[in-house]
Amino acid sequence: GNSVTQMEGPVTLSEEAFLTINCTYTATGYPSLFWYVQYPGEGLQLLLKATKADDKGSNKGFEATYRKETTSFHLEKGSVQVSDSAVYFCALSRPPSGGSYIPTFGRGTSLIVHP
Amino acid sequence: DTEVTQTPKHLVMGMTNKKSLKCEQHMGHRAMYWYKQKAKKPPELMFVYSYEKLSINESVPSRFSPECPNSSLLNLHLHALQPEDSALYLCASSQVEGSYQATSGYTFGSGTRLTVV
Repeated sequence: GNSVTQMEGPVTLSEEAFLTINCTYTATGYPSLFWYVQYPGEGLQLLLKATKADDKGSNKGFEATYRKETTSFHLEKGSVQVSDSAVYFCALSRPPSGGSYIPTFGRGTSLIVHP
Repeated sequence: DTEVTQTPKHLVMGMTNKKSLKCEQHMGHRAMYWYKQKAKKPPELMFVYSYEKLSINESVPSRFSPECPNSSLLNLHLHALQPEDSALYLCASSQVEGSYQATSGYTFGSGTRLTVV
């Protein structure tokens, strides 16, 4: 079946440090890949996405590249800010049921950024 | 309008109460979802509606009863809940895509924080 594996957190960084959160997946076919972010007390927000191999998704300084050969979609940011502190979820879509695509989420990785 | 609005934001209910959670979106999305999220865990899928019809029920206990009265609204009726049902309940919506892959992603509401006492 489909699954997503994320690195275990929390990840603790100082402001302006480089961020990498690892995500690997197992899936049949050609899933789309997503990163969602959840700030404290809020729902999930779509951060970025990629729908085919070698696509790079980017948003708010975050980037992730769809690597089919390594089945990975690692999240990176060159210089993190305190405001980036949140939980980050990697997700893939699985085949439709009734026309709706269902995401499979990773466990989530908590990021804590200190001033 | 690019939001999913959930009400109430917080709800405390007794085990014998009946309450409802509401979700609304005006993005023209025809797929809507209910998720349950416990602390420090990913969201767990409960129900999926596609074109206002229930397409997925992930073996959710009958004390949770979903309803989709129209293409913009999604309700979750609660009755005789247990303390272990306390969680953040998230609503989401997405386009229904006939293509080979999902490309649009999902739009989530901010959730209802439910406490069962």
